[in-house]
Amino acid sequence: LAKTTQPISMDSYEGQEVNITCSHNNIATNDYITWYQQFPSQGPRFIIQGYKTKVTNEVASLFIPADRKSSTLSLPRVSLSDTAVYYCLVGGASRNTGKLIFGQGTTLQVKP
Amino acid sequence: DTAVSQTPKYLVTQMGNDKSIKCEQNLGHDTMYWYKQDSKKFLKIMFSYNNKELIINETVPNRFSPKSPDKAHLNLHINSLELGDSAVYFCASSQVKVEQFFGPGTRLTVL
Repeated sequence: LAKTTQPISMDSYEGQEVNITCSHNNIATNDYITWYQQFPSQGPRFIIQGYKTKVTNEVASLFIPADRKSSTLSLPRVSLSDTAVYYCLVGGASRNTGKLIFGQGTTLQVKP
Repeated sequence: DTAVSQTPKYLVTQMGNDKSIKCEQNLGHDTMYWYKQDSKKFLKIMFSYNNKELIINETVPNRFSPKSPDKAHLNLHINSLELGDSAVYFCASSQVKVEQFFGPGTRLTVL
């Protein structure tokens, strides 16, 4: 199983760039890496997904090294509203591939 | 319109009871899931269904049973509820890849 490990918590200040790293040493060849954001009393919300190298969208970037054993979610210029729990998910590229494993989540606290 | 909806939002019940949580998605997705989130915020997959076929079945007690009457619905039935079942249960749906859309959650409290 592609178990994932993330820092339990991180603090940042408004306007800073935040990087959250997820370790997934046993990632399978056909596994994707996906990051979710969760606010209190809400379901997780998709942020970004990648397979290798770098992916960027309007809210974040995802950096994946060549060995794919880790990934880093980068949030540029965070604001107070980015305070949330961030989950790393590995797996599930097709209906027959392994288990969908969420990390324990990283609680990001953005301070003014 | 809500993409993934769950009912009820809150469920308080006694130990030993049987209860169901309903989930519906209007996204036309092929796969639906149930997750359990405990008090420590750990999010664990319980089941998923793809076109009425169970494709992932984690090591959950057989007191939990998913029921899918059609592609747009995946209900979770729980028999003989225990204190340890108290948690927030999330339904989600997706196409084959892992971009999942989650419902708002159902907070289950077993007394």
